[in-house]
Order: sequence, then C-alpha cells, then structure tokens
Amino acid sequence: EIVLTQSPATLSLSPGERATLSCRASQGVSSYLAWYQQKPGQAPRLLIYDASNRATGIPARFSGSGPGTDFTLTISSLEPEDFAVYYCQQRSNLLTFGGGTKVEIK
Amino acid sequence: EVQLVESGGGLVQPGGSLRLSCAASGFTFSSYWMHWVRQAPGKGLVWVSRINSDGSSTSYADSVKGRFTISRDNAKNTLYLQMNSLRAEDTAVYYCARDDDQAFGYWGQGTLVTVSS
Repeated sequence: EIVLTQSPATLSLSPGERATLSCRASQGVSSYLAWYQQKPGQAPRLLIYDASNRATGIPARFSGSGPGTDFTLTISSLEPEDFAVYYCQQRSNLLTFGGGTKVEIK
Repeated sequence: EVQLVESGGGLVQPGGSLRLSCAASGFTFSSYWMHWVRQAPGKGLVWVSRINSDGSSTSYADSVKGRFTISRDNAKNTLYLQMNSLRAEDTAVYYCARDDDQAFGYWGQGTLVTVSS
C-alpha cells in the first residue's frame, strides 16, 4: 500500500498569505496525484488532478507541483473561503488518501 | 447537473449488516467507474472500494475485504455497498464518488453509518 504523508497537520495563516502544503508518497506515484478541499459538513471538492492540473472552476491561486514522491499544493494568496482541510490522493496503486492538512485562520 | 445521492445509513449493532445505495443522475452512469470513500467522525478520508463501469471488476481496501461488497445496477443508475459483519470502527460517513479518470470529480453528500450496541 502506498502511504501518503501530509505536512504540516495544521497551518495557521492570515488572509492574503501564501500557503504551502506538502504530500509525500512512500513510493513513486508518477503524476497520479490529486488534491481535494473539504469544509465542515461538506463533501470533498476536487482542486487539482494529475499533480498540477486545476479542475474546472478552480481559481488560479491554487497550484500543484510534482511528480514523483514529493508534491506541493500552493495557495498563492489565501481568501476567507480557503480555510478548510486539504487532502492529497494517489491512484498509482489502488487508491489512498493522505491524513489531511487543516488551514486555519491565524 | 450531475447528482449523487446516498441513502441507507443508520444505526446498526456490531456484527450486523447494512446496504448503502447511491442514486446517480445527470450523466451516463454506465460509462463511469464508481467508488465508496468513508470518513470516521473527526478523521480523514479513507478509500473503501471501487467498481468498473460494467460491474465486472471490483477492488477493496484491506480493512473491508471479505466483509463489504460493492455492486451496481446500470439499469437503475444505482451503486450499492453491502456491508456485513460490521464493527465499531466502520462507523463513518460513507460517500460515493464518480471516477473521472484523473480523480473524483463528483461526490455525494454522504450517509452516516453508526455501529454501536
């Protein structure tokens, strides 16, 4: 099983600041990595697929990088609606999710 | 508009069974692989199972293998998850999700399963 480790667990930032979230895979997953955003009481929403492609309707302030084992989700300037939990997911070998990073208001 | 609506959750005793359903609309259901993902209260997302578009191939997470069965009825545009021998650790919100090849582009709103005596 491929394990995805997300860091940090919590990121405390202010609106307008840059957020950098990390996802490390226990083995290479090529570019088969996606990022999701989840707000309390809601289903997850797809942000990024294939490591660096924004899903339909996702603002340009969200960007992803990879491939390989180390991936990053960057939010260039946090908007109030961006405070949420973010998960990475790989589909190289079955599917697994990372443990999540909570982006909270400082 | 794509819609996925789960149902069938509820309270069940340890060792009991439950069948979840996911009704799909707004797209050609029979063309897509589908998945179940769960989330225990206050915890992260965990992939549970997947099924290919015609139902001939399935996969499961080790934690549910041999206890859960995924299936689909393309004529009824419905995905199922039969859950047997339920344990307390199966308590979670269960989401169905559409596989858009690259990732899960659409999710249902989830249905809560609580396993408790």
